[in-house]
Amino acid sequence: AQSVTQLGSHVSVSEGALVLLRCNYSSSVPPYLFWYVQYPNQGLQLLLKYTTGATLVKGINGFEAEFKKSETSFHLTKPSAHMSDAAEYFCAVSDYDTGNQFYFGTGTSLTVIP
Amino acid sequence: EPEVTQTPSHQVTQMGQEVILRCVPISNHLYFYWYRQILGQKVEFLVSFYNNEISEKSEIFDDQFSVERPDGSNFTLKIRSTKLEDSAMYFCASGGPNEQYFGPGTRLTVT
Repeated sequence: AQSVTQLGSHVSVSEGALVLLRCNYSSSVPPYLFWYVQYPNQGLQLLLKYTTGATLVKGINGFEAEFKKSETSFHLTKPSAHMSDAAEYFCAVSDYDTGNQFYFGTGTSLTVIP
Repeated sequence: EPEVTQTPSHQVTQMGQEVILRCVPISNHLYFYWYRQILGQKVEFLVSFYNNEISEKSEIFDDQFSVERPDGSNFTLKIRSTKLEDSAMYFCASGGPNEQYFGPGTRLTVT
C-alpha cells in the first residue's frame, strides 16, 4: 500500500528565505506525486504534480518539486518565501496500479515571518 | 476555469440524523471521490465512483455511508445516522488517477 510521510508538521521561514517542505513516499509501483496547498477555511488547491517524464516539476506561485526515486522523495521548494505562502501543505501519492485514491500526508503548516 | 462545487458549505446536524452532502464535479470528468478531513488531521479517502458504481472504498466508508449520482451533474454523499465522530470537513473531488480537483469542502458539525 502507498503511504506518505511529511517530516515537520510546522515549518517557519523568514520572508525571502528558502522554503523546503519534505515529503517521502512508499509505493510498490511508480507513483504519481502531488502537492496541494490549503489556505484557512478553503479547499485543496493543486500546486504541482509528477506523473512521468521530467523529474523536476514546476508549479504555481513559484513552487517546484523534484522526484527522486532513489530517495523516494518529492520535496517541495520555493527560492524566496512570500507572506502569502503561509498555509497548510499536503503531499499526496497515487499510482496507476490502484488507479484511484490519493494517499495524503499529515500536512505541514508553513509560517512566514516578516 | 471549471471547478468542483459543493453545497452546503457548512451543515450542522444532530446525532442520529441523516445528512446529504452535494457536489457538482467538473463536467467532463469520469471519476468522482469523497474525502474526509477531521479537524487537525490528514485528508482521508472515503470512496471513489466510476461508471455509476463504487470502484474503491476505505474502511471508513461503512454501511452508514452511501454515494449516488442521481443525475448527470450531481454527486452526493449520504450519511444515514450521523455520529459525533462524523464531524469533519468533507471534500468532493473529480478527475482520475493522475489528477484530482477538489471542491471547497462541506464542514459537517454533528451535535
